[in-house]
Amino acid sequence: KAGVTQTPRYLIKTRGQQVTLSCSPISGHRSVSWYQQTPGQGLQFLFEYFSETQRNKGNFPGRFSGRQFSNSRSEMNVSTLELGDSALYLCASSFEARGTDTQYFGPGTRLTVL
Amino acid sequence: DAKTTQPPSMDCAEGRAANLPCNHSTISGNEYVYWYRQIHSQGPQYIIHGLKNNETNEMASLIITEDRKSSTLILPHATLRDTAVYYCIVRPRGGSNYKLTFGKGTLLTVNP
Repeated sequence: KAGVTQTPRYLIKTRGQQVTLSCSPISGHRSVSWYQQTPGQGLQFLFEYFSETQRNKGNFPGRFSGRQFSNSRSEMNVSTLELGDSALYLCASSFEARGTDTQYFGPGTRLTVL
Repeated sequence: DAKTTQPPSMDCAEGRAANLPCNHSTISGNEYVYWYRQIHSQGPQYIIHGLKNNETNEMASLIITEDRKSSTLILPHATLRDTAVYYCIVRPRGGSNYKLTFGKGTLLTVNP
């Protein structure tokens, strides 16, 4: 089975712009979670989608949003980029994301905001 | 979620077993112990998980103490490619908590 794929792998934007990142889960997985990783804050949960619905949300401002499509693919959007949004954005998929479901991570998208 | 404590760093000689400890003294009965690792700038890689019995797969073994307050991840024959940050995570078996809460992990350096 193919793993979780994320596109693009690298992205450079300037302050004030917006960005959209894409995640394709493992085939058959219906849950997609997004995480942000920075040197200062480590890995932090952004949100989780299941069957096109956001079920869980982390403590991030409204500039961070996401959606999931009927084929389980997911996108996250960051509007009005700030320098502090520079990070590795990780997507993880699982069958249902309940406690017994293992989450598998993609390679991440490295976002640099100038 | 129960909090975990891991040493910030450990060294291991190539070919030897690497034993990574994790303390989770506040773990509750319905919480699993998960281990992931992250090689520099890559996505975290799932290693193994368990509830109360010891577990083994092709990558590692997980030893959970009888009181479940601590666990040890064992890489039986460490290689240079095992150099990574290892995260021990406690996660509820069910409910509506779908996220993984990562701590700072243990940086394992495998030396030639």
